Amino acid sequence: DQQVKQNSPSLSVQEGRISILNCDYTNSMFDYFLWYKKYPAEGPTFLISISSIKDKNEDGRFTVFLNKSAKHLSLHIVPSQPGDSAVYFCAASGGSQGNLIFGKGTKLSVKP
Amino acid sequence: EAGVAQSPRYKIIEKRQSVAFWCNPISGHATLYWYQQILGQGPKLLIQFQNNGVVDDSQLPKDRFSAERLKGVDSTLKIQPAKLEDSAVYLCASSLSILDTQYFGPGTRLTVL
Repeated sequence: DQQVKQNSPSLSVQEGRISILNCDYTNSMFDYFLWYKKYPAEGPTFLISISSIKDKNEDGRFTVFLNKSAKHLSLHIVPSQPGDSAVYFCAASGGSQGNLIFGKGTKLSVKP
Repeated sequence: EAGVAQSPRYKIIEKRQSVAFWCNPISGHATLYWYQQILGQGPKLLIQFQNNGVVDDSQLPKDRFSAERLKGVDSTLKIQPAKLEDSAVYLCASSLSILDTQYFGPGTRLTVL
């Protein structure tokens, strides 16, 4: 059973517009959430994170929103740039070992 | 600062053969992870080390997979014998300590024929 779900395998956005990537989780013990970005033939790169005590975290063009009651988080990219085209993975962790549970990823394509 | 290094980048073997992957984490990082990423899936944790001790290997198929981190720095992951379903990208990650941000290497793409 998937504990972290990214239900959109792909997303296409025009350059300059907002990209919104969604993630749902089922385990209420998760208390830390992360987004990783992955280019082809490279490992995932850490992008942004949020603790369960917050509902928003911002870093430049990237903002993550957390809705604990809905067990839902989203990543907003504003404005989107062609270099943002990549696969984005949502990950969650809980407990003392910090193990990450990843979603299947969403492939973002930003068109010029 | 140098990132996580992995080798080889690509490996093709036949089923029932053995294979080994090597990982050198970021300097000073005490925690090291091995993940398996099957095509179309997210990375799945296989084993987690804290220095040279195993923290979690609950998802490691121990009948064929083994991993070690003898001196608390480099690590090797071995598969013996390989099966077709082991075809995947094997990612190594490291973090300063447990609960810190994990940084990933480029991965080793394994194809089992």
